[in-house]
Amino acid sequence: NAGVTQTPKFQVLKTGQSMTLQCAQDMNHEYMSWYRQDPGMGLRLIHYSVGAGITDQGEVPNGYNVSRSTTEDFPLRLLSAAPSQTSVYFCASSYRGRRGAFFGQGTRLTVV
Amino acid sequence: AQRVTQPEKLLSVFKGAPVELKCNYSYSGSPELFWYVQYSRQRLQLLLRHISRESIKGFTADLNKGETSFHLKKPFAQEEDSAMYYCALDTGNQFYFGTGTSLTVIP
Repeated sequence: NAGVTQTPKFQVLKTGQSMTLQCAQDMNHEYMSWYRQDPGMGLRLIHYSVGAGITDQGEVPNGYNVSRSTTEDFPLRLLSAAPSQTSVYFCASSYRGRRGAFFGQGTRLTVV
Repeated sequence: AQRVTQPEKLLSVFKGAPVELKCNYSYSGSPELFWYVQYSRQRLQLLLRHISRESIKGFTADLNKGETSFHLKKPFAQEEDSAMYYCALDTGNQFYFGTGTSLTVIP
């Protein structure tokens, strides 16, 4: 059982470049979400989805887009990367019913 | 508004000493609270959820609705407990995380 899989693990981008962080889960979870982890700030929610075709903004959505065309996949798109988006990104999924979230291994992104 | 506060960014204890990581929350509904642990450069792992009242790796946490707290405790710290610990509140649609406490257990 793979759980939550994120790709890539590491990425370096130049300012202004775009890219997509991939997230897939094989647990048939309804909920999926993206967080960024920055020193001293914990995890902050970027976007989340409560099911296929439904997405919503979290605490820090600016500069990021998401879509949820299938239950399994929840990609995060950076439209025009900025140095302020240098962070570690975590994808998570969970069941309806508030039973805790499962996290991917993270993507360490550096924007230069 | 829903918020989670972890007042200690850093906590150091000696091996064998008791440890308590503090977590306070603010939520108008019925809280669903969790503790997550993150070992160095690894993914977050679910450690405890209050509804199951379980003990994992010797850690326990009790929800105190009167004090709106969900402190994580362990009677005897071990070196392998050194990690980052996050308290989280689940409202059904979103998780709200605290800023985390970095625990170091000194041999």
